[in-house]
Amino acid sequence: KQEVTQIPAALSVPEGENLVLNCSFTDSAIYNLQWFRQDPGKGLTSLLLIQSSQREQTSGRLNASLDKSSGRSTLYIAASQPGDSATYLCAVSMTTDSWGKLQFGAGTQVVVTP
Amino acid sequence: ETGVTQSPTHLIKTRGQQVTLRCSSQSGHNTVSWYQQALGQGPQFIFQYYREEENGRGNFPPRFSGLQFPNYSSELNVNALELDDSALYLCASSFGTSGNEQFFGPGTRLTVL
Repeated sequence: KQEVTQIPAALSVPEGENLVLNCSFTDSAIYNLQWFRQDPGKGLTSLLLIQSSQREQTSGRLNASLDKSSGRSTLYIAASQPGDSATYLCAVSMTTDSWGKLQFGAGTQVVVTP
Repeated sequence: ETGVTQSPTHLIKTRGQQVTLRCSSQSGHNTVSWYQQALGQGPQFIFQYYREEENGRGNFPPRFSGLQFPNYSSELNVNALELDDSALYLCASSFGTSGNEQFFGPGTRLTVL
């Protein structure tokens, strides 16, 4: 059974510092891994999707890496801003699952202080 | 291009009642997945509809049911509401099924009293 874990559960950094968010998964038979942002009480905004054959994806200040063999992904956010304050969730879909259902971690709540 | 929309935004029901939540897919998408997110947790997969048929189901009881319409919009129905059904309900649309990127709506906040 796949388990997705995100540590730490919460993180507070001063503005300008780089953010490093971790995601680990127990079963490496993933199809892809997706990072999302969630503002309080709101839906999910997709940030980056990494296919299992890829090592990293980049979009602006965001960079996500994937090490499938060790069951880890890391989301880097450069030069954090107060607007980056949100909960960040990672999710995997499995090659063994034809539905493509996403299995989520519980998220890391990030606060960027001015 | 219109994104995924959900209605209503908020809903309050009492235990034992029934509720219907609605989702309109992103243009061009033929697959809808529904998730339940309890406070402080990650979303949990309820079920998926592909071309109007249930394509997969998570660990939820039969009182959670759904429909997908020819225009690929979808409904989630929950019967005999329980207090633990209080959560944010999210729908996500995609084109096709396995492994394709899913795009989420803003969610419906359901409170059961």
